[in-house]
This record gives sequence, C-alpha cells and structure tokens, in this order.
Amino acid sequence: SQQGEEDPQALSIQEGENATMNCSYKTSINNLQWYRQNSGRGLVHLILIRSNEREKHSGRLRVTLDTSKKSSSLLITASRAADTASYFCATGQGAQKLVFGQGTRLTINP
Amino acid sequence: GAGVSQTPSNKVTEKGKYVELRCDPISGHTALYWYRQSLGQGPEFLIYFQGTGAADDSGLPNDRFFAVRPEGSVSTLKIQRTERGDSAVYLCASSLTGPGGAFFGQGTRLTVV
Repeated sequence: SQQGEEDPQALSIQEGENATMNCSYKTSINNLQWYRQNSGRGLVHLILIRSNEREKHSGRLRVTLDTSKKSSSLLITASRAADTASYFCATGQGAQKLVFGQGTRLTINP
Repeated sequence: GAGVSQTPSNKVTEKGKYVELRCDPISGHTALYWYRQSLGQGPEFLIYFQGTGAADDSGLPNDRFFAVRPEGSVSTLKIQRTERGDSAVYLCASSLTGPGGAFFGQGTRLTVV
C-alpha cells in the first residue's frame, strides 16, 4: 500500500518559475527521500532528509520536513524545461524499507 | 557495472505462464528492493532484501510471487501462473546499508496477454 500522498497530482508552470510539491505521510519515519522519474522507467534519487533535520538544500532543490505535521515539501527554483518529470516522495521506514507516494507530474512550459 | 541492471527490458507472456525477472545490483550494495509500478501510479513496494535474506516481503501480493537472492547479489523475481493484472513495470533498486538513496534500474515492462 502507498503511504505518501503528493500534492498536487499535476503541476504546470512557466520556465523560470519556482515549483513546489508537497508530500504527506502517516507513520513514523527514519528519513524522507525525493525521486524524479522520466518516461515511467527508472527513478533518480534527488535528496534525502533525515527525521531530525528540518531543511536541506542541493543545488536548485530545497526540501523541508515537518515531522509534527508528517509532511515535506520539495521546492525547485528557477525551473527549466529539463525538470519536466514525475516527482515522488519516499519514506524510509524501519530497516530501510522505502514506501513511495503517488507522485506529482510536473510540466515546465518553455 | 556502473548501475543497476534489469533484464529483460520488456517481456510479453501469455496468461498462465511463468516468468523470471532478473536484477543485477550495484556491486557492494547489500540492500535490494523490488517494486511494481502501474501507469500513472507510484512504485508499489514488493520485497526488500538485506544480503541474502528477505527482510520484508510484506508487499508481495500473493503466493504466485516469489523472489530470491541466493548469493546476496543478483536477485530474481519469479511470477507463477501470470495474470493480466500482473502487467506493469517491475523496478529493482539497490543501496548501501544505512541512510542513503536507492539506485534504480530501468525496469522490466511485463505485459501479460
């Protein structure tokens, strides 16, 4: 069963704008990770935030984690056409089991 | 190899047949995961190996599905008496033990006709 729920399910913005995606989860976690998927095949790991961290940056990516609200957000700044993809959050539970959400389909319009 | 390799990339089989899907993880990665993904959905967890043993197989949908990792490296996902509902992309991932991201293969697209 899926645990995470991404919001929105689909997002379409203009190139150069910022994109924000949210993820909510239900159980306690060790960490939360964000992945990108192009064309419905392999996923690419973007960033991991541990349960004792509140914010993390990697290049144009900014991730926040609020364990009291069981939610996380992924911000992509200065979006590019190449950022068009599906984005998934995954919660690390127990001995590294990863549970994925349904994903947000992001479209960047040139 | 440099990444996680899955073979075959595509598999078409008839309903009722047996299939095996193979995953070659990144060398040295002790954790290996199998996921199933249907169109427009997120990856659905099937099973997780730590070394040779299945640490968590709670995602296997029924007893037609079985996975092995006999030497702690290559893993095979086996599906007996395939059904049309088994059609999906089957994804494999591996990671080092401990916090860190998982590396995914390109998946096997299984079509049961």
